[in-house]
Amino acid sequence: AQSVAQPEDQVNVAEGNPLTVKCTYSVSGNPYLFWYVQYPNRGLQFLLKYITGDNLVKGSYGFEAEFNKSQTSFHLKKPSALVSDSALYFCAVRDGGAGNMLTFGGGTRLMVKP
Amino acid sequence: GAVVSQHPSWVICKSGTSVKIECRSLDFQATTMFWYRQFPKQSLMLMATSNEGSKATYEQGVEKDKFLINHASLTLSTLTVTSAHPEDSSFYICSARDPLLETGNTIYFGEGSWLTVV
Repeated sequence: AQSVAQPEDQVNVAEGNPLTVKCTYSVSGNPYLFWYVQYPNRGLQFLLKYITGDNLVKGSYGFEAEFNKSQTSFHLKKPSALVSDSALYFCAVRDGGAGNMLTFGGGTRLMVKP
Repeated sequence: GAVVSQHPSWVICKSGTSVKIECRSLDFQATTMFWYRQFPKQSLMLMATSNEGSKATYEQGVEKDKFLINHASLTLSTLTVTSAHPEDSSFYICSARDPLLETGNTIYFGEGSWLTVV
């Protein structure tokens, strides 16, 4: 079975400061890891993914995430937060050798204050 | 641009009626699509896996006779909520991936459909 944990329900950060949204995962095979963002009343937008290769992956809107195998983590980061980054962020994982089903974390609400 | 299109975005229906939500893959063929349900302020829960040309695979606890899924073509899956009740009110999201794309491991989501049953 695969699972994802996002330990923080909400993250508050001031505009211009760096932000981190945490994610840890559990999967039996090779992990394929994803971050999605959800704006109010909208679907999910893809931000970035890790499949293989460099542990640091860069995605949309200046976000990046670092895959840490030993800590089974895939934290989302951004060097300088914008108010417009305020949204709900979901981390997701799927087993690379077991089909397409994604398992999502509980979501973390990011609040960036001016 | 969007690679997965979902329609309608908003729907209100009366209790006891049925409502259909469509999920289309744009410019690619999706043999498998997924339907998720999201309650307010909660994460997404996988409801079922929609397989083109065969029966959908439902997650435990999801009533297959209530949530009918049809994947009649490689670009279209539909979710029909039958005999809807207010507790079925939720945000429904579909997803798919293009296995032929270089980035084929990315799973894209539709914009979601808000269902309100009154």
